[in-house]
Amino acid sequence: DGGITQSPKYLFRKEGQNVTLSCEQNLNHDAMYWYRQDPGQGLRLIYYSQIVNDFQKGDIAEGYSVSREKKESFPLTVTSAQKNPTAFYLCARSIGRNSGNTIYFGEGSWLTVV
Amino acid sequence: KQEVTQIPAALSVPEGENLVLNCSFTDSAIYNLQWFRQDPGKGLTSLLLIQSSQREQTSGRLNASLDKSSGRSTLYIAASQPGDSATYLCAVHSGGGADGLTFGKGTHLIIQP
Repeated sequence: DGGITQSPKYLFRKEGQNVTLSCEQNLNHDAMYWYRQDPGQGLRLIYYSQIVNDFQKGDIAEGYSVSREKKESFPLTVTSAQKNPTAFYLCARSIGRNSGNTIYFGEGSWLTVV
Repeated sequence: KQEVTQIPAALSVPEGENLVLNCSFTDSAIYNLQWFRQDPGKGLTSLLLIQSSQREQTSGRLNASLDKSSGRSTLYIAASQPGDSATYLCAVHSGGGADGLTFGKGTHLIIQP
């Protein structure tokens, strides 16, 4: 799993609901990321965090929120403001964002709106 | 803005063949380039990371090259096996903007037994 665990694997959301995807890493890495993947598309960055209690918006942050209260945890909340949330969500980690190190991904979470 | 293109989008070859996957990027000012493998419904697995100062990296039957000046990278797979069937993505770390990592859309590879 690349030292990073995502849960749940599958999640269904009703219209108007907020849902939270969990991401935990056990390697004491500073940088964590959330990406969204749609069929036939490349990965797009939602949010990233370099240190505890700090995070930055990526290219498609609207309708999403994150927190980084602990180094090992970086949960993503998909809010009701996200109009097209059905996608595959990938969490990732690296030693440091600007150091050019390898980035490692979790197994992903599938979110479907019903 | 950095753009990454992968050609071909899909490739099907018989087992045992050597093959090359291509990745091109528009801005040559990069920190590194990384190749990933993705199996259906799974996360990405890192295969090779090439720093901007390097020309190539090798891991087993995989060899990745980087020509930064021309904005190109290739992933060479030797003696392909059915287990190599997956989608291969390249990502370029440019270090600018909200985040420096830009992904291509991938090459879907099928190795026929």
